[in-house]
Parts: sequence; C-alpha cells; structure tokens
Amino acid sequence: EDKVVQSPLSLVVHEGDTVTLNCSYEVTNFRSLLWYKQEKKAPTFLFMLTSSGIEKKSGRLSSILDKKELFSILNITATQTGDSAVYLCAVFLGNQFYFGTGTSLTVIP
Amino acid sequence: DGGITQSPKYLFRKEGQNVTLSCEQNLNHDAMYWYRQDPGQGLRLIYYSQIVNDFQKGDIAEGYSVSREKKESFPLTVTSAQKNPTAFYLCASRRVGMNTEAFFGQGTRLTVV
Repeated sequence: EDKVVQSPLSLVVHEGDTVTLNCSYEVTNFRSLLWYKQEKKAPTFLFMLTSSGIEKKSGRLSSILDKKELFSILNITATQTGDSAVYLCAVFLGNQFYFGTGTSLTVIP
Repeated sequence: DGGITQSPKYLFRKEGQNVTLSCEQNLNHDAMYWYRQDPGQGLRLIYYSQIVNDFQKGDIAEGYSVSREKKESFPLTVTSAQKNPTAFYLCASRRVGMNTEAFFGQGTRLTVV
C-alpha cells in the first residue's frame, strides 16, 4: 500500500526561527515529490523534486529529496507570520498524486 | 485569467439528497482530480480522469460519481450512499505527458444536516 508520512503533524514557532518539515514515502512507481502550501483553501505549489541531492530554493524556502532513503525535507528560514499554513507533501505516481496528512505550522509574532 | 473554478464555495444539504459539485478549468489540462479533505487526514483521492469520457476510481470512490463529457468540466456527485459526506472537496487539474504539478480550485465545503 502506498504511504506518505509527514512529521511533525503540527509545529508552533516564533518569528525568525528556522523550521524543517519532513516527508517520507513508500510507494510504487515514484515519479516525483511535490510540496504545497495551504493557507485557507486552495493548496499552492511550492516545489517539485525528481532527482536526489539537488536542492530547490525559493527565497527563504528550500527543499531536497533523498531517493535512496525515501524522504524529503522542506526548510523555512527566518520564519514570518505569513508562513503560517498547512504544508502538504505529495508523491506523483504517474497518473495520480498521493498526499500526506500535512504539517500545520503556526508562526507567532 | 486561467484557472480552476469550483462552485459553490459552501453547500448545505439534507441527509439523503444527492448533490453535485462543479469544477471547471480553462487551463487546457487533460487530467482532472477530485480530493476530499477532512481534519487530520490530508487529501484523499476520490476520482480522477486523464481524458474525456474516461475516469478511474481513487481510494475513496464509494458513494461518489463523476462524469467527464468535456475537457473543461469534471463534476462530482455526492450520492445518498456516501455515509459521511460532510467535508471539504478540492478539484485539481494537470497537464499530462510529463512531470507537472497539479493546480487546485478554491474548494467546496459541503455540510450535510
């Protein structure tokens, strides 16, 4: 059975802190791993990772994939209150996306 | 502007009634998806379609039905057979043929009383 596990389930930090969100997976037919940010309703795309060891970066956010150990991390440096959201990890299996339960991040001023 | 439109945003229905959620996209995407989101359970796949007039069941298809008569439209019907229909429903689409991300609509929150 395909499985995507995210940890921690929730996290509360202060502005300026650095956070690391984890996503591990056990799936057949892995094609890519994606990270999304969900603030209220529609998840918005952050990163797609297909190759091990290549960091994707966008401003204060970065992500990397380890296909040997079957996990990915999403780092957020110098967190801001606007980073408060649910962060979703998904694995693309060739015809569908399989999502984890998400990590709820709250950034306190 | 290109995007995915879900309607309505909020929907209330009485138990035992069928209800249809609308999803329209003007991104010219071939693949479309329906997910259900419950607190603490992430997104679970209900149905998906990769081409007009064809669709496949996801992990939780029981009590739901879909149609794909047009490329732009992928409506979801929540039938009275769905035991616990109250949830947040998200529609997504994707360009097929390569590794591409899914784009999401704003969702429909269905409450059955």
